[in-house]
Amino acid sequence: NAGVTQTPKFQVLKTGQSMTLQCAQDMNHEYMSWYRQDPGMGLRLIHYSVGAGITDQGEVPNGYNVSRSTTEDFPLRLLSAAPSQTSVYFCASSRTSVEEQYFGPGTRLTVT
Amino acid sequence: EDQVTQSPEALRLQEGESSSLNCSYTVSGLRGLFWYRQDPGKGPEFLFTLYSAGEEKEKERLKATLTKKESFLHITAPKPEDSATYLCAVPYFSGGYNKLIFGAGTRLAVHP
Repeated sequence: NAGVTQTPKFQVLKTGQSMTLQCAQDMNHEYMSWYRQDPGMGLRLIHYSVGAGITDQGEVPNGYNVSRSTTEDFPLRLLSAAPSQTSVYFCASSRTSVEEQYFGPGTRLTVT
Repeated sequence: EDQVTQSPEALRLQEGESSSLNCSYTVSGLRGLFWYRQDPGKGPEFLFTLYSAGEEKEKERLKATLTKKESFLHITAPKPEDSATYLCAVPYFSGGYNKLIFGAGTRLAVHP
């Protein structure tokens, strides 16, 4: 089992560019989520999904889109990157929404 | 408002010096509390789940306990390899689904 995988590991974007952060899991988990982690602020929920075809917004969704066409994949799209989106992004998955989540290794994004 | 607060923000210990980390929460209808360990540059790693007041879980030098309003992570005779950021998280119900809210973490440094 690879667990939760994320690509890329590092990315630098210019303001206004768009990109997709990839996330995949091989544990057949229904629940997947995206977080951003900023110094002193802990992990904040961006978007989550309770199953294929079902997504919803978390605490800080502005500027991000998600879709979930398969159980395995949950990509995060930045529509028009802004310096405020400089952060470390983590994808996580769990069997249900009240069980422990398993995290990927993260993507460090810098927007200049 | 649902909130998770961890203290202290940072803790420096000598090897072998036992201590406790605190996680207090204000979430109605507790559905569990999770502890994670995060090493620099990596994703959070799941440690424990606690579901009810009075419950305890142990793993090597770590023991997690839960009361109705807070959880403690006790570290007995720590070693330098226990140095990490420890995060706690609690599920809360909003918008029809459960989501996780994280504390900002406690940065633990154990010196030889």
